[in-house]
Amino acid sequence: NAGVTQTPKFQVLKTGQSMTLQCAQDMNHNSMYWYRQDPGMGLRLIYYSASEGTTDKGEVPNGYNVSRLNKREFSLRLESAAPSQTSVYFCASRQGWPEAFFGQGTRLTVV
Amino acid sequence: RKEVEQDPGPFNVPEGATVAFNCTYSNSASQSFFWYRQDCRKEPKLLMSVYSSGNEDGRFTAQLNRASQYISLLIRDSKLSDSATYLCVVNTGDSSYKLIFGSGTRLLVRP
Repeated sequence: NAGVTQTPKFQVLKTGQSMTLQCAQDMNHNSMYWYRQDPGMGLRLIYYSASEGTTDKGEVPNGYNVSRLNKREFSLRLESAAPSQTSVYFCASRQGWPEAFFGQGTRLTVV
Repeated sequence: RKEVEQDPGPFNVPEGATVAFNCTYSNSASQSFFWYRQDCRKEPKLLMSVYSSGNEDGRFTAQLNRASQYISLLIRDSKLSDSATYLCVVNTGDSSYKLIFGSGTRLLVRP
């Protein structure tokens, strides 16, 4: 059972580089989410997609873009990475209520 | 002010102790409430939902006080395996899809 799969698991970027974090779920869930987690900050919502074809900003959307490519996939793009974007990124999916299922995270370092 | 606030702890308790965590939320229109558990460097996982009348799952009891806008989690007979970070999660009132996490409360259970 794959659940929610994130790629890559680790990444080091130089300031100004761009990259896309990939997320795919095989549970036929409608809603998908991107969070970032920094020490002592908990998880902060970057963007979410309530259903295929829709995306909405969360708490900290600046510096990021998202694409809900289809029902399975929700990608997060950093156009010009900054050291402040060093974090652990989690993707999640959910169908109705209550449980959101998370991927294992992507550990991103921007130098 | 953050939408969901928690005492970061850590709470350091002996095995067998009872420990309680509180969480406050700012949006009075919030609809649904949850506790998630996160082990070190792992993804969060649902511990339990929080119902208006309060609910229990084994050693864990969750309470909701809508008038005061706080949620609590009580753990009885603490086990070493309960050591983790406990995250308060709220489905905010502006969207039934928007899940906002608190920063988490760290629990350390010692032998």
